[in-house]
Amino acid sequence: DGGITQSPKYLFRKEGQNVTLSCEQNLNHDAMYWYRQDPGQGLRLIYYSQIVNDFQKGDIAEGYSVSREKKESFPLTVTSAQKNPTAFYLCASSTGDKNIQYFGAGTRLSVL
Amino acid sequence: GQNIDQPTEMTATEGAIVQINCTYQTSGFNGLFWYQQHAGEAPTFLSYNVLDGLEEKGRFSSFLSRSKGYSYLLLKELQMKDSASYLCAGVIKAAGNKLTFGGGTRVLVKP
Repeated sequence: DGGITQSPKYLFRKEGQNVTLSCEQNLNHDAMYWYRQDPGQGLRLIYYSQIVNDFQKGDIAEGYSVSREKKESFPLTVTSAQKNPTAFYLCASSTGDKNIQYFGAGTRLSVL
Repeated sequence: GQNIDQPTEMTATEGAIVQINCTYQTSGFNGLFWYQQHAGEAPTFLSYNVLDGLEEKGRFSSFLSRSKGYSYLLLKELQMKDSASYLCAGVIKAAGNKLTFGGGTRVLVKP
């Protein structure tokens, strides 16, 4: 089945640790996006990538890093510089004229 | 900035109709998306309006007025499973099709 797979579903980070969230899609979509969602709030854009080997900062990129070495994959690293990482992280991909974004099931990150 | 405003919460009765309004600054956005999000799950696409007017899809309809910076999502014949958050999002094509989301409207459907 075609879709967007995020892993792990739940992740715990220790103080000072970097953690990486995986996002893989087999939809052959060109663009991929990372969002953060805090309880009771909307989504905020962290990073996005329109093509392989290229990505741009979103509205809240500080403390995060990404790579786009393959079309199918867009991993997000939450670095120790992100002081408030506890949130629900959503990956999305899109293509075509309307560029409808389709979302993965999300990763819930907590701090130990 | 590109602010998007929608009510925080609405309550309606099963079988009734509910209208969720969304207002935004008129400059910048090329279209309006609506997504449904059940608690703890990923958002799912409902509708996309790029031109003024009403788009109907079964029990759900979405309306856009670009000159007024206004959109609404209409849910008819409400069912218990429609209890969810509804997210309004504006898209900026010139900026990599970035979506700017409102805070979401939580709809509670009561029997």
